[in-house]
Amino acid sequence: EVQVVESGGGLVQPGGSLRLSCAASGFSSSDVYMDWVRQAPGKGLEWVGRVRAKRNDYSTQYAASAKGRFTISRDESRNSLFLQMNSLHTDDTAVYYCARVVTSKWYLDLWGRGTLVTVSS
Amino acid sequence: DIQMTQSPSSLSASVGDRVTITCRASQGITNSLAWYQQLPGKAPKCLIDAASNLHSGVPSRFSGSGSGTDFTLTINSLQPEDFATYYCQQYKDYPVSFGGGTRVEIK
Repeated sequence: EVQVVESGGGLVQPGGSLRLSCAASGFSSSDVYMDWVRQAPGKGLEWVGRVRAKRNDYSTQYAASAKGRFTISRDESRNSLFLQMNSLHTDDTAVYYCARVVTSKWYLDLWGRGTLVTVSS
Repeated sequence: DIQMTQSPSSLSASVGDRVTITCRASQGITNSLAWYQQLPGKAPKCLIDAASNLHSGVPSRFSGSGSGTDFTLTINSLQPEDFATYYCQQYKDYPVSFGGGTRVEIK
C-alpha cells in the first residue's frame, strides 16, 4: 500500500526538542520531494518545509517560522524522513503532517494522518 | 513572500446550492495553485492543481478557474459529503503558502 505514516509526536516543554519521523511505503521516498505541513488546533494549514529528492542532493527549504530551529533530513535505507525540532515554542503546538510532492506538478498528493505535538509546561 | 487570502472564511449553504470560494494571491502566480478539501479529523486531499485541473476521482461538480492573482473554486449542486474546509495553496515560489481556509457548513 502506498502511504506515509508519521510518528514521534507528544508533549514537550517550551524550549525543548522533538524529532518526528515519516515512514514511506509503496514508493521510494528518496526519488521525490517531501514536505512537512502543520495545523494548529482549530487553525489552517501551514507549510513547514521541504526536502528535495536524492538527485537534488536532498536540499531543503523552510518557512520563516522553522528556519534555524527545524531541520528536515532523510534516511534512504529506512525510506523515511525526519523533522528535528529544537527550541520549541507553545505556538508550535500542532498536528504535523508529512506529504509527498508530485514531481513537476508541485501539489501534495499523499498525506499521512499526522502526529500531534503539544508544547506546554 | 506570497500571501494567499481566501474568502469567505466560512459559509452556510444547503444541499443543492452552488458555492463559490475565492483565493487571491498577493502577487502573480500564473496558474501555480492547488485546492484541497479537508474533512473533520482527516488529512487534506487535493482536488485540483494548476488552477483548473480536476483530479481523477473528484466529482465533476467541482471546478477551478483563474490565473495570475485571482482564483475560484466552484462547487455545483453541493452534496452532503462536500461539507468540509477548503484551502488554496500556491506553489509558484518559496515559501509555499496556503490560504486561511473556507469552512463550508450546512444551513
